[in-house]
Parts: sequence; structure tokens; C-alpha cells
Amino acid sequence: QQQVKQSPQSLIVQKGGISIINCAYENTAFDYFPWYQQFPGKGPALLIAIRPDVSEKKEGRFTISFNKSAKQFSLHIMDSQPGDSATYFCAASTDSGGYQKVTFGTGTKLQVIP
Amino acid sequence: GAGVSQTPSNKVTEKGKYVELRCDPISGHTALYWYRQSLGQGPEFLIYFQGTGAADDSGLPNDRFFAVRPEGSVSTLKIQRTERGDSAVYLCASSSHPGLEAFFGQGTRLTVV
Repeated sequence: QQQVKQSPQSLIVQKGGISIINCAYENTAFDYFPWYQQFPGKGPALLIAIRPDVSEKKEGRFTISFNKSAKQFSLHIMDSQPGDSATYFCAASTDSGGYQKVTFGTGTKLQVIP
Repeated sequence: GAGVSQTPSNKVTEKGKYVELRCDPISGHTALYWYRQSLGQGPEFLIYFQGTGAADDSGLPNDRFFAVRPEGSVSTLKIQRTERGDSAVYLCASSSHPGLEAFFGQGTRLTVV
């Protein structure tokens, strides 16, 4: 049962372009939506996160857009750089238990070409 | 160390063997999580420790999997009678407080042949 659906599976963007990754969730109990960046041979690292009471959050070149009614959220990477080439995971969790039991999407492999 | 340390980095074992995977969390972190990441997939939750106790083991796939954290620091994930389907990267993460960001280790790549 895939609770967080992510697309596309892979993405190639030219340097300076905008990378867009989309996710959808099913469980309305989710109240925290992080994005993780993972480089080969490394563990995921938190990139940016949003709670459903806001529709957008921006940190530098990274922006999350959140649509609560549609149960969808997306990551936009502006001015994409070759160093952004990595796998990106959207995720969702609930704080109901006081801890973060994170459900990850299937990942998007981003390649930024010079 | 500065980050979460997992050993070994790679482990190859024969089907049916027993394996132990170790996680050293960031010093002082009370919350510890184990995840499993299969090839081409996102990590899947296995178990959560708060201190020494397993507060949520709902993600463990079956009774061949067991994890301990006897002193509230280092944790060991134990897999009995390994199967080829257990091949994956096993990730450990820790956080200073259960509700705060968890930091992941680099993982242990387990290959069952």
C-alpha cells in the first residue's frame, strides 16, 4: 500500500532550469511533509519541510507548494545546478505518537546537465 | 563521531545465515530509527526506539527481524535465517528529541546470496 506517490521517477534538467517533482498522499492524518535529498552511498538528508497550514515554503532555491484539498505537494528547484544531481524523496508523517514515523515516496532521480 | 555511524558498510551473507547490523547514533540522541531501503525505492520504517525501549516495531516484516538498544545508545538490528529478499540498504537515524529532525547514517548494504 503506497501512501505517498511520487513522480516522475527520473528527471533531466539543464543547468539553470527549474526542476519540479510532484507527490500525492492518501492519509489525511499526515501533518508534516518533508523532502529528502540522497546522494549515492549516503543516507537521506532533510532538505525542506512544510506543515499543511501553509501553502508554500521557500528556502533559497528550494520551494515546496502544498495543496491540502487536493492532497498534493511539490518541490521546485530553481536555477538547478549540477551539484543538485541526486535522488529526491518526498515524505509524510504524523506527530500523533510524538515521534516521526516517516512514509517515503519512491524517489525521483534528478540529473542536472551543464 | 559527528554523525550517525553504521557498521559494516557492506555485508554479504549466505541464505539462511544470521547477521547483525550496528548503529552508533549521534551522542546524546535519545530517539533512534531503523529503515530499510530496497533498490529503487524509498526507505521503509522498521522500528523506533525511545531510550532503551522499542516504542514502535510495527514495521518489522516478520519475526526473523529483531532490534535491541540495551543502554539507550548503540542499537543492533538482528536478522535470523536470512533470505534473498532481505537484500537492501538498512538505514539508521537518530534525533535529539522524538519530534525533531532525524539524521541518517550512510546505511549498511546487505546482500544475501
